[in-house]
Amino acid sequence: GAVVSQHPSWVICKSGTSVKIECRSLDFQATTMFWYRQFPKQSLMLMATSNEGSKATYEQGVEKDKFLINHASLTLSTLTVTSAHPEDSSFYICSASDGTATDTQYFGPGTRLTVL
Amino acid sequence: QQQVKQSPQSLIVQKGGISIINCAYENTAFDYFPWYQQFPGKGPALLIAIRPDVSEKKEGRFTISFNKSAKQFSLHIMDSQPGDSATYFCAATFSGTYKYIFGTGTRLKVLA
Repeated sequence: GAVVSQHPSWVICKSGTSVKIECRSLDFQATTMFWYRQFPKQSLMLMATSNEGSKATYEQGVEKDKFLINHASLTLSTLTVTSAHPEDSSFYICSASDGTATDTQYFGPGTRLTVL
Repeated sequence: QQQVKQSPQSLIVQKGGISIINCAYENTAFDYFPWYQQFPGKGPALLIAIRPDVSEKKEGRFTISFNKSAKQFSLHIMDSQPGDSATYFCAATFSGTYKYIFGTGTRLKVLA
């Protein structure tokens, strides 16, 4: 149980285009979802926290107009990188919590974004 | 005060040996401490987690030791195997917030 999927697993796009990444909780309802960014050989950097039906809460330094997050249902959150540039190339990972007392985050497999 | 300090940065262990990774925190309000394992190009996977009301938790070859007074916790991997070669992250959070503070990670390599 507690499986989180991401789509696509990798994407290559041209500079200036927008890219959407989907995160789905497959077998549980995710009251809260998180989006992380990870650079090679570094730790996970939290970008934003989203609750179903609410606006996302962005971490300091993360541009909310550049990284659009939508948590439209209890099983789906999307991250859209708008007007992507090469510096946005990174590994993006989502996670989800089911709102129980376990405090556990279940992570997706990640999406590798390369902006040319 | 929100940091979680993890050491060592990298670790090489012989097959069958014990791998030990340490984490230290400052905020005594943290009350949930998970460990995650991450293979290259994959998302982190939960290994084991502990709360401050116990000093040790064991699941298979993985053990967390927790020292509340020292504000430290560690992951012990017994009988380490080449398949354990991965990056390990400790984390801390406040119960109910689900928002993790991650350590910097430890790259473990187990030699065959």
